[in-house]
Amino acid sequence: GAVVSQHPSWVICKSGTSVKIECRSLDFQATTMFWYRQFPKQSLMLMATSNEGSKATYEQGVEKDKFLINHASLTLSTLTVTSAHPEDSSFYICSLKGSGNTIYFGEGSWLTVV
Amino acid sequence: GQQLNQSPQSMFIQEGEDVSMNCTSSSIFNTWLWYKQDPGEGPVLLIALYKAGELTSNGRLTAQFGITRKDSFLNISASIPSDVGIYFCAGLNQAGTALIFGKGTTLSVSS
Repeated sequence: GAVVSQHPSWVICKSGTSVKIECRSLDFQATTMFWYRQFPKQSLMLMATSNEGSKATYEQGVEKDKFLINHASLTLSTLTVTSAHPEDSSFYICSLKGSGNTIYFGEGSWLTVV
Repeated sequence: GQQLNQSPQSMFIQEGEDVSMNCTSSSIFNTWLWYKQDPGEGPVLLIALYKAGELTSNGRLTAQFGITRKDSFLNISASIPSDVGIYFCAGLNQAGTALIFGKGTTLSVSS
């Protein structure tokens, strides 16, 4: 069964609004979660790494005030795209690091900003 | 953002042929992972490598963790049409704080 639950699977929002994507660990406590963005026909680009109870570490070029990441518990991390614009339309996917460096991915979320 | 050097970018092969792709990095990684991704879905793990020099197989797939910990390759033997897709390598850094992906190899198999 699924180890990581990510939702929504897809969302359409109006330009200027904010959207929250949740990534939830179902079977284990994840101290580290990764958030990625993937544009069509491109690879997964790491946006940020979050550790439970501390501020996320953002990759170069990713605006931390625009992409708010909250890792409030060992089983939940959220990504909020604030003041979304059409260029933010993309596939967003989370992954969790378990014991022994085992990596689990969520199902991904398609964001379309109109 | 960070990316690993993955090659080739794309491959067009005949059914039954063997395939090889590789990833290199200027940094050392503790874990190398190989994924396959179908359109609109998340990546699916094929093989995970945790030790330098490790050679691991999963059916017709074989992957190795380079001895320098800066590279890895994936081989697919006797390819079949359902092998079509995009293959990504990924490396987890020593601190476990970043999982970086390669640019992907698009595989096309003609029957």
